[in-house]
Amino acid sequence: DTAVSQTPKYLVTQMGNDKSIKCEQNLGHDTMYWYKQDSKKFLKIMFSYNNKELIINETVPNRFSPKSPDKAHLNLHINSLELGDSAVYFCASSQYQGYSYNEQFFGPGTRLTVL
Amino acid sequence: AQKVTQAQTEISVVEKEDVTLDCVYETRDTTYYLFWYKQPPSGELVFLIRRNSFDEQNEISGRYSWNFQKSTSSFNFTITASQVVDSAVYFCALSEPGTGANSKLTFGKGITLSVRP
Repeated sequence: DTAVSQTPKYLVTQMGNDKSIKCEQNLGHDTMYWYKQDSKKFLKIMFSYNNKELIINETVPNRFSPKSPDKAHLNLHINSLELGDSAVYFCASSQYQGYSYNEQFFGPGTRLTVL
Repeated sequence: AQKVTQAQTEISVVEKEDVTLDCVYETRDTTYYLFWYKQPPSGELVFLIRRNSFDEQNEISGRYSWNFQKSTSSFNFTITASQVVDSAVYFCALSEPGTGANSKLTFGKGITLSVRP
């Protein structure tokens, strides 16, 4: 059973389009994240949600809108796609434990190509 | 602000060689956590180890070992008798849980390890 799954795995689209990426985790975690990995493999956090509440929003353009319908799901909607949005987007989850920090488990990634 | 530096960008070794991947971190917190992740060519990110700042014991898991030195703010990763399957990008990461739910994982830029047969 896949712990953190994302769909789709590949997404090729034209500039200006709107697209969504879905993420689901079956680990029972209460915190989920979106990361962007650029062409140089640099990983940067975009958002985090804890119990459906937005916690971290890392100066991401407001064309990116995350939505968490429940603790097990975190989706990412991107409006008006730009060439610079081409990257691999990773979803991750962890269990928040106050003054501790548990490891995050990552999904397989979604490779987004904007033409 | 927290920072992770992986000064080596690419390392190439021949199978069975030992290799050490360096990680140096900066943090203002006294409580923090360090991680290593592996990203093989298939692209997924695989968790390898988590270490908290109060535990300076070195860790060994099979051919993998980690050396945590608070005095030099380093958390280095050694692969003994490397194998072709170890070829991957390896990321070191740091978290400061003192910020509560705002705590985030800061990644280094990664080290690309190539193990040649």
